[in-house]
Amino acid sequence: SAVISQKPSRDICQRGTSLTIQCQVDSQVTMMFWYRQQPGQSLTLIATANQGSEATYESGFVIDKFPISRPNLTFSTLTVSNMSPEDSSIYLCSVEGGTSGAETQYFGPGTRLLVL
Amino acid sequence: LAKTTQPISMDSYEGQEVNITCSHNNIATNDYITWYQQFPSQGPRFIIQGYKTKVTNEVASLFIPADRKSSTLSLPRVSLSDTAVYYCLVGDPVTGGFKTIFGAGTRLFVKA
Repeated sequence: SAVISQKPSRDICQRGTSLTIQCQVDSQVTMMFWYRQQPGQSLTLIATANQGSEATYESGFVIDKFPISRPNLTFSTLTVSNMSPEDSSIYLCSVEGGTSGAETQYFGPGTRLLVL
Repeated sequence: LAKTTQPISMDSYEGQEVNITCSHNNIATNDYITWYQQFPSQGPRFIIQGYKTKVTNEVASLFIPADRKSSTLSLPRVSLSDTAVYYCLVGDPVTGGFKTIFGAGTRLFVKA
């Protein structure tokens, strides 16, 4: 299994500012994923980050709002830009894993963001 | 991608067996069924995955009928610490299709 850490664990930010969330994995992985989980809701995939290429964004999410970096096989960052109160959510990163024949995901603990 | 339907919430008592059923009527041939558990303030945690019939691990069992249009997660003798949200996902793990859709999940509340 993969061990994933995220920084910061939580933050309170003012609207109009930006926050960069870091995700560190204890092993090399090809793909990393960023999710958003709004209060009391399920998870929504924001984008898939491959090392050495541009991130692939899901419908409703754009690079200008959520720029992603993937400088190496163990690290990624997600920036939430020009924040508004609607961006208040938990942001989670995940990686693929699993035994032969089937893939699963391992998730980080999440970054709890409150925008005032 | 196959959509899933689960009960929104369930209540149980300590020591009981809990069965959570997930409907996935348009499951595709290559799709697997995966269940995750999420505690408050934590990321989801993989519980179990299966393709057909029955799968059992140290945490749970997964029952999948022959038509694969539904699946049932069985938690034996639940404790208070099993209070969590349980998500059922369906998709092809090879192509990564299952990554994109987390349903609403089932909130299980275990009472003393």
